Amino acid sequence: ELKVEQNPLFLSMQEGKNYTIYCNYSTTSDRLYWYRQDPGKSLESLFVLLSNGAVKQEGRLMASLDTKARLSTLHITAAVHDLSATYFCAVESGGSNYKLTFGKGTLLTVNP
Amino acid sequence: DSGVTQTPKHLITATGQRVTLRCSPRSGDLSVYWYQQSLDQGLQFLIHYYNGEERAKGNILERFSAQQFPDLHSELNLSSLELGDSALYFCASSVDPVVGGGTASYEQYFGPGTRLTVT
Repeated sequence: ELKVEQNPLFLSMQEGKNYTIYCNYSTTSDRLYWYRQDPGKSLESLFVLLSNGAVKQEGRLMASLDTKARLSTLHITAAVHDLSATYFCAVESGGSNYKLTFGKGTLLTVNP
Repeated sequence: DSGVTQTPKHLITATGQRVTLRCSPRSGDLSVYWYQQSLDQGLQFLIHYYNGEERAKGNILERFSAQQFPDLHSELNLSSLELGDSALYFCASSVDPVVGGGTASYEQYFGPGTRLTVT
């Protein structure tokens, strides 16, 4: 059974600082997604990573995928308050099963 | 706005009752997925339908069932409701993975969710 672990689960950081969220998964997959969720809202797609070595960047966020290490990272550069949200990584099971297995999420709070 | 719609937004009902949640996928998407989000279980996959046929099942209780209709909208039926069924229920849709092929993205787009409260 595919397991996805995110850490940290809670992250409080100051504006302007950098930090990385880690996502480890237990079985082979080359499809990984990052989502953002604001309180009481739906999931907003941030990044789609489809192969080993994939790196995507959007604004202050950068995501990467290492399928051999079964590890994805979401790096935050010079955090701003608007980035406060919960971030989820999700791994696709693969084969003909396209279900997503989610990590528990990282609650990010960016303080002024 | 992802293009996926869900109704109702909120639902409050009593234990033992039955409810139906509705989802309309993005135009052209043939796949619909249902997920449950609760504080203790996190986000969990329930079931996947593709063009009217069930494709995969996750941790879906026997009291729960779903179907996808010819117009591609989907309904999730929850019966004999218990307090523990209180959660946010999301549906998501994606492009047909077979048509996508290769390394194309089969990204799932999530609807706004239905918040179910069982009292």
